[in-house]
Amino acid sequence: DAGVIQSPRHEVTEMGQEVTLRCKPISGHDYLFWYRQTMMRGLELLIYFNNNVPIDDSGMPEDRFSAKMPNASFSTLKIQPSEPRDSAVYFCASSPYRAQRHEQYFGPGTRLTVT
Amino acid sequence: DAKTTQPTSMDCAEGRAANLPCNHSTISGNEYVYWYRQIHSQGPQYIIHGLKNNETNEMASLIITEDRKSSTLILPHATLRDTAVYYCIVRVRGGADGLTFGKGTHLIIQP
Repeated sequence: DAGVIQSPRHEVTEMGQEVTLRCKPISGHDYLFWYRQTMMRGLELLIYFNNNVPIDDSGMPEDRFSAKMPNASFSTLKIQPSEPRDSAVYFCASSPYRAQRHEQYFGPGTRLTVT
Repeated sequence: DAKTTQPTSMDCAEGRAANLPCNHSTISGNEYVYWYRQIHSQGPQYIIHGLKNNETNEMASLIITEDRKSSTLILPHATLRDTAVYYCIVRVRGGADGLTFGKGTHLIIQP
């Protein structure tokens, strides 16, 4: 099992540019989560999907952020336009739904730097 | 999710047991205690979870007090690779929503 795959691992972009982060969850997992980690705010949940449907996007900071899950094996997090304060490590996680377990499996993260 | 309180940092000698405490005095009857850790530059990793009974797996043991207001994660024979930030999280049984991470405990294993 390859685990959760994220790309790119590092992204450096200029303010105002569009950024797209990608995630491939573990096959067979029903849930997909996007988190952001900064020194100031720690790990924060941005949005999560169940069976490709967005369930809770209350953590998405502003309209500049959007996430999609067109199929069970792929999700994107897009920032347009990007700003320096978006610099962070973005993690994708997936989870199977088994009634009493439901641990989440995290990818290696994408380190985004906006200059 | 209920809030948790953990020490900011702890040291432990390599080969000794590392005992990481967590207070969750407002935990509800239907909330589990979960532990995750994050090794530097990696994504968080699930360790163990429990409701009220003590639990053990290949990574660690979880001891939950009878009143469920606190718990201790035990790494029986700590190695240098166990140096990480450890997060204690309480969440609803069978909950399918995201995790709420606090600041965690930075455990440093000393050689």
